[in-house]
Amino acid sequence: DAGVIQSPRHEVTEMGQEVTLRCKPISGHDYLFWYRQTMMRGLELLIYFNNNVPIDDSGMPEDRFSAKMPNASFSTLKIQPSEPRDSAVYFCASSFSLYGYTFGSGTRLTVV
Amino acid sequence: GENVEQHPSTLSVQEGDSAVIKCTYSDSASNYFPWYKQELGKRPQLIIDIRSNVGEKKDQRIAVTLNKTAKHFSLHITETQPEDSAVYFCAASSNDYKLSFGAGTTVTVRA
Repeated sequence: DAGVIQSPRHEVTEMGQEVTLRCKPISGHDYLFWYRQTMMRGLELLIYFNNNVPIDDSGMPEDRFSAKMPNASFSTLKIQPSEPRDSAVYFCASSFSLYGYTFGSGTRLTVV
Repeated sequence: GENVEQHPSTLSVQEGDSAVIKCTYSDSASNYFPWYKQELGKRPQLIIDIRSNVGEKKDQRIAVTLNKTAKHFSLHITETQPEDSAVYFCAASSNDYKLSFGAGTTVTVRA
């Protein structure tokens, strides 16, 4: 298995632009999580899905953030419009029930 | 929600010595406690986990202990090696499958 695959690995965008981050979970995993990592706040859970259904989006910072999971093998996290304070590493992780998350390699987002 | 506190924030040890990282959690319903290792620029990787029905688990040079009464758990690394240098995160979860992470401990192993 190739593990959790995220794209792009790096993204530099201008303030106000739309950003879309992508994630392909491990086949057979029924949970998918989006985390954001910064020096100041550490690893923050943004949203998670179970069997493609959003379960808890209380960590989504504001309406500029949205996430979808149209099928079991794909999820997106969108920021529109982006702001400099959104700069962070965004990790996607998947798990089969509660057997430990497997993280993707992350997307390093820089908003200038 | 769950609140996980982790100490110390940085830890420097001589190669061959032991390293201990401690975490406390707030939600008495939490029953799953994994530890992740993150090397610079890499993803967090699961190194060991423990569930609330056991008090200790060991895997070669790493071990985790859990005290449910006191709501704390610890990671022990023995015979540290330079490749153990990384940031270590503890986490806790109850049956809602959300992991709440500690702030991380930067471990430096001096050769």
